[in-house]
Amino acid sequence: QSALTQPPSASGSPGESVTISCTGTSNDVGGYNYVSWYQQHPGKAPKLLIYEVRERPSGVPGRFSGSKSGNTASLTVSGLQAEDEADYYCSSYADSKTVLFGGGTKLAVL
Amino acid sequence: QVQLVASGGGVVQPGTSLRLSCVASGFTFSSYGMHWVRQAPGKGLEWVAVIWYDGSNKYYAESVKGRFTISRDNSKNTHFLQMDDLRNEDTAVYYCAREEGGFSGNGWGQGTLVTVSS
Repeated sequence: QSALTQPPSASGSPGESVTISCTGTSNDVGGYNYVSWYQQHPGKAPKLLIYEVRERPSGVPGRFSGSKSGNTASLTVSGLQAEDEADYYCSSYADSKTVLFGGGTKLAVL
Repeated sequence: QVQLVASGGGVVQPGTSLRLSCVASGFTFSSYGMHWVRQAPGKGLEWVAVIWYDGSNKYYAESVKGRFTISRDNSKNTHFLQMDDLRNEDTAVYYCAREEGGFSGNGWGQGTLVTVSS
């Protein structure tokens, strides 16, 4: 199975909104509401931002939101802040009882 | 709060074995599924395996199926990853994470580095 497709980079200015896409197939993203998003700062462990497409774990700011349409999921970061500069990964449950990750998107806050 | 401490990494030769451990605290371990996820140096995340809260189900990535075994000991708040027939491409930081819902991982530990090299 192939990894999910994410743009390698994204950027925005402080206060703006940025959306990162995650494209799969009907066998993963499109077939299940089991899409997650993670944030990873350099040298740190990943942090869960969104699970089950749009649910936020406790402690995650409401500036982070998730959605899905067909085979593409999206993460929107609103009110960009300097500390949002990081790598972002999506993941999805897939057929054959596995989990796929996207290749990651490096978000720059200009 | 959720705390996960992974250990057991090291430098090993191809074809050998290694067993990773992940000790959990701050939550009722026996009520949660647990994941292993790895990250090769400078690369993205790759899911490795998940085990159900009671050990009744175990799922693996194709790249490790038949070589890696996930297990847990709820009496010790610990889960394990037995890695056999290691290959150069298994070199990575291995993270453990708690299942949060929908096959997502939360509360990631600091990771343990596994280097496979001759």
